[in-house]
Amino acid sequence: EDKVVQSPLSLVVHEGDTVTLNCSYEVTNFRSLLWYKQEKKAPTFLFMLTSSGIEKKSGRLSSILDKKELFSILNITATQTGDSAIYLCAPHGSSNTGKLIFGQGTTLQVKP
Amino acid sequence: DTAVSQTPKYLVTQMGNDKSIKCEQNLGHDTMYWYKQDSKKFLKIMFSYNNKELIINETVPNRFSPKSPDKAHLNLHINSLELGDSAVYFCASSQAGLAGFRVTGELFFGEGSRLTVL
Repeated sequence: EDKVVQSPLSLVVHEGDTVTLNCSYEVTNFRSLLWYKQEKKAPTFLFMLTSSGIEKKSGRLSSILDKKELFSILNITATQTGDSAIYLCAPHGSSNTGKLIFGQGTTLQVKP
Repeated sequence: DTAVSQTPKYLVTQMGNDKSIKCEQNLGHDTMYWYKQDSKKFLKIMFSYNNKELIINETVPNRFSPKSPDKAHLNLHINSLELGDSAVYFCASSQAGLAGFRVTGELFFGEGSRLTVL
């Protein structure tokens, strides 16, 4: 059975701190792994990773995938209060149907 | 100009009632989904349709029946609502399709429909 485990489940930091969010997975016929940010409403797309060792960056956020060890990390540097959200990891498995299996998410709270 | 829109955004109803949630996407995507997010924020897939054809049907009670009149619409009807059905239901769409994997797998989500069963 496909599995996704995110850690930590929750995290409280202060503005300016750097955080690392972890995602480990077991998915049949892995194709890609996506990271989403969910604030109050819909999850919004952050990154898609398909290859090991290639870092994706967007501003203060970056992510990397290790297909051998079956995990991904999402880093946020110089955190801001606007980074407070749930961060969801979703590996994409074997079917051609775009089915994503979501982890439980990491709830990040950034205090001023 | 909302890409994936759901209605209603909020729904409060009594146990035993029947309710529907509607979803429309204007992205031209082939595939649409219903996800359920429970109180622990766990997002779990329920159904997926590709060009009006059901392709994913997870372990969901028969009381839940999706309907896709065309590839831009996917509705969810729930019969005999129970307390445990209280959750946020998200509609999503993607370009992923049966005719060969050619896409990112990225999902575009609607804003969710919060269902509260009393």
